[in-house]
Amino acid sequence: DTAVSQTPKYLVTQMGNDKSIKCEQNLGHDTMYWYKQDSKKFLKIMFSYNNKELIINETVPNRFSPKSPDKAHLNLHINSLELGDSAVYFCASSASPGRGGLNEQYFGPGTRLTVT
Amino acid sequence: GQNIDQPTEMTATEGAIVQINCTYQTSGFNGLFWYQQHAGEAPTFLSYNVLDGLEEKGRFSSFLSRSKGYSYLLLKELQMKDSASYLCAVAVEAGGGNKLTFGTGTQLKVEL
Repeated sequence: DTAVSQTPKYLVTQMGNDKSIKCEQNLGHDTMYWYKQDSKKFLKIMFSYNNKELIINETVPNRFSPKSPDKAHLNLHINSLELGDSAVYFCASSASPGRGGLNEQYFGPGTRLTVT
Repeated sequence: GQNIDQPTEMTATEGAIVQINCTYQTSGFNGLFWYQQHAGEAPTFLSYNVLDGLEEKGRFSSFLSRSKGYSYLLLKELQMKDSASYLCAVAVEAGGGNKLTFGTGTQLKVEL
């Protein structure tokens, strides 16, 4: 019973291609996230959705477009892939944080993207 | 913006105690999380602190001082499987929710 799942686990593609990564959570959470972890292991938030609405949108190139068809899914589409996009992309989910409340985030296994 | 500092690497002996420090500067602070990440795996939640003081969970404890912008993670009775990266993350309010900003992580190596 996987809590947060991502597909694919590995993705190798050429510069200029368009690719998508899918994420699903079965925890009943309202909030989902995309993170990028670079080669130096620095984990940085990209996007967050709460009940299918975008609530966090960091300074990310507009080649990256998240889509949340329902609150259990958050997909990431990347257009015109560049070498610098090579990284591990993690999806995560949490219960709605609420004002002043804290709910831990559960991470998926990651998608290792290699752009050649 | 946020500035989060933690040591890059630490080494400790099996059975010992190790303390991993984290200092931060931020506005809109909503709490501090600690995550563990083994090589090639996803980060997993360890603990969080909202108020000043110590939170204990088995072999792991985390401390927070909001006035000093300081937290530490204490690992007791170290085991070889504790060798991993430990990530400090500050939660700030953003867009009606909470946004986590992670430090660069502390790579802990446990030796015999």
